Amino acid sequence: TQLLEQSPQFLSIQEGENLTVYCNSSSVFSSLQWYRQEPGEGPVLLVTVVTGGEVKKLKRLTFQFGDARKDSSLHITAAQPGDTGLYLCAGARGTGNQFYFGTGTSLTVIP
Amino acid sequence: DAMVIQNPRYQVTQFGKPVTLSCSQTLNHNVMYWYQQKSSQAPKLLFHYYDKDFNNEADTPDNFQSRRPNTSFCFLDIRSPGLGDAAMYLCATRGGLSGAEAFFGQGTRLTVV
Repeated sequence: TQLLEQSPQFLSIQEGENLTVYCNSSSVFSSLQWYRQEPGEGPVLLVTVVTGGEVKKLKRLTFQFGDARKDSSLHITAAQPGDTGLYLCAGARGTGNQFYFGTGTSLTVIP
Repeated sequence: DAMVIQNPRYQVTQFGKPVTLSCSQTLNHNVMYWYQQKSSQAPKLLFHYYDKDFNNEADTPDNFQSRRPNTSFCFLDIRSPGLGDAAMYLCATRGGLSGAEAFFGQGTRLTVV
């Protein structure tokens, strides 16, 4: 059983479309991070959300942390081919140090 | 400048021949992690150190060991690599405080022949 479940697992869209990726858990997290990973490279941090209900914007990306701090979402507006990659949510539960990844969402944006 | 450095980027080893992967950090973080990532999958946590305290995940095979001689360095030892151990291995560090972010190296791609 995965601690963090992401949906969808795969997403293929046309350039200019909008999309949302979900990250869900039955556990409470002190914070959640979102990463983007390209083939052959390590994950690169996009954002950290800490407060329940928090919304953060990074250009065309909008991140939200659920009120109960058990879930998060990533919304991309007007997707571009450069957004293609593996999107991963991740976090540590409570004060623990185990840092787990979600199941991942592979995004392909077609020109 | 890279803050988490993994060496080498690519490693080829023979079936059954011990191999060591290296990770160093300049962030002075308490926590260091090793992950295994297979193609099209999310990274899977193998173990982590909080300072010198070693924490193994329950499903990490005995074939995988780790050493952390000091704050800056951490090693992943694979005692007898099998074909199924071919993967990307990622090292990460984290400050150890609640809400702290993890920072990753570029990974080592391990091939077993």
